[in-house]
Amino acid sequence: QQQVKQSPQSLIVQKGGISIINCAYENTAFDYFPWYQQFPGKGPALLIAIRPDVSEKKEGRFTISFNKSAKQFSLHIMDSQPGDSAAYFCAAKGNSGSRLTFGEGTQLTVNP
Amino acid sequence: EAQVTQNPRYLITVTGKKLTVTCSQNMNHEYMSWYRQDPGLGLRQIYYSMNVEVTDKGDVPEGYKVSRKEKRNFPLILESPSPNQTSLYFCASTRGRGSYEQYFGPGTRLTVT
Repeated sequence: QQQVKQSPQSLIVQKGGISIINCAYENTAFDYFPWYQQFPGKGPALLIAIRPDVSEKKEGRFTISFNKSAKQFSLHIMDSQPGDSAAYFCAAKGNSGSRLTFGEGTQLTVNP
Repeated sequence: EAQVTQNPRYLITVTGKKLTVTCSQNMNHEYMSWYRQDPGLGLRQIYYSMNVEVTDKGDVPEGYKVSRKEKRNFPLILESPSPNQTSLYFCASTRGRGSYEQYFGPGTRLTVT
């Protein structure tokens, strides 16, 4: 059973557009929500993360929006660039240890 | 350079032939994990270790073994590989208690025929 559901599976955006990827979770004990970015042939790398005590976190062109009551969080990529083309994974961590539960992933393509 | 290394990067083997995928980190991290990545399923944790000689099952441990005899190394063992273990495998490490960022290795693509 997938505890973190991610959509869409794939996304195509024009250069300069906004990319939005959504995730929903079930476990209310999750207390840390990171997004990982993965380029072909590489391992995932942390992009940005948020804790449930804030509703939004912004780092450059990347923003996480978090809705605790709806148990949803999303990644917004402003002014999307071809170099942003990659796989994106949301994840969630429980309140013990460092185990992460990942979403299914989204393949983002930004056309020039 | 701080990194997680895995070997081999690519491996083709036959059903039932025991294999080991090595993982090493040079960051003195306490926590280490193994994941498999399959299309449409994201990354699923196989095993994790919170310290030397301390390991526990993740979400999909069947058919895998691990050991953590040294802090830097966390090998993944498939004693009798089967075709359904064909996948992309990632090792990851985390500094330890209170730190949540996982540092991933480059991946090992395994094909079992």
